[in-house]
Amino acid sequence: EVHLVDSGGGLVQPGGSLRLSCAASGFSFSTTWMNIVRQAPGKGPEWVASINPDGSEKYYVASVKGRFTISRDNAKNSLYLQMNSLRAEDTAIYYCAKSGVFTFDYWGQGNLVTVSS
Amino acid sequence: QSGLTQPPSASGSPGQSVTISCTGASSDVGLYNYVSWYQQHPGKAPKLMIYEVTKRPSGVPDRFSGSKSGNTASLTVSGLQAEDEADYYCSSYAGTNIHWVFGGGTKLTVL
Repeated sequence: EVHLVDSGGGLVQPGGSLRLSCAASGFSFSTTWMNIVRQAPGKGPEWVASINPDGSEKYYVASVKGRFTISRDNAKNSLYLQMNSLRAEDTAIYYCAKSGVFTFDYWGQGNLVTVSS
Repeated sequence: QSGLTQPPSASGSPGQSVTISCTGASSDVGLYNYVSWYQQHPGKAPKLMIYEVTKRPSGVPDRFSGSKSGNTASLTVSGLQAEDEADYYCSSYAGTNIHWVFGGGTKLTVL
């Protein structure tokens, strides 16, 4: 059974940094594209970033380019999102999501990130 | 980055059918057969219900079906049940620049 466990969220001041983690199990993590999708309060989801199986390809939504970095450790079956220069508009629940066939077929439980002074 | 357009709400009585629309553009929904639908109950993570426009993952009831015509995709829920009451979101692949777009969500109420 696929399990994705998100961790690392919290309250951070504008301009601050936070690192999110996602622990994966129940599938071949090292051969699977992984993603981060966020959802602001009361809004629809927004794709944030994707990373290929060996970590050599990374893609980001325009609003986080240069501030966020997605990475993975296949030996630990873990996905990470380093978030720097955080802004109020980054406030959202951040989900780790496994790629399926051009879809997100499994999602973690989510991490609330609140950017506020 | 443009999102997909969904009606904010939909409703139906138990046993009835309801259809939710999702309108995109010729660069996403109209170009790719990679439309997905997600169900989200309050406080929970989204759950994949439909992918590649019409396909259902294992375990999703066949009461849920998807279709597409031009730039608009649709999710139909037949034989409505109380547990179908949730928010539903569509998404589409949008190419190598934008990658993925989502709709704003439709709150389905079972009367």
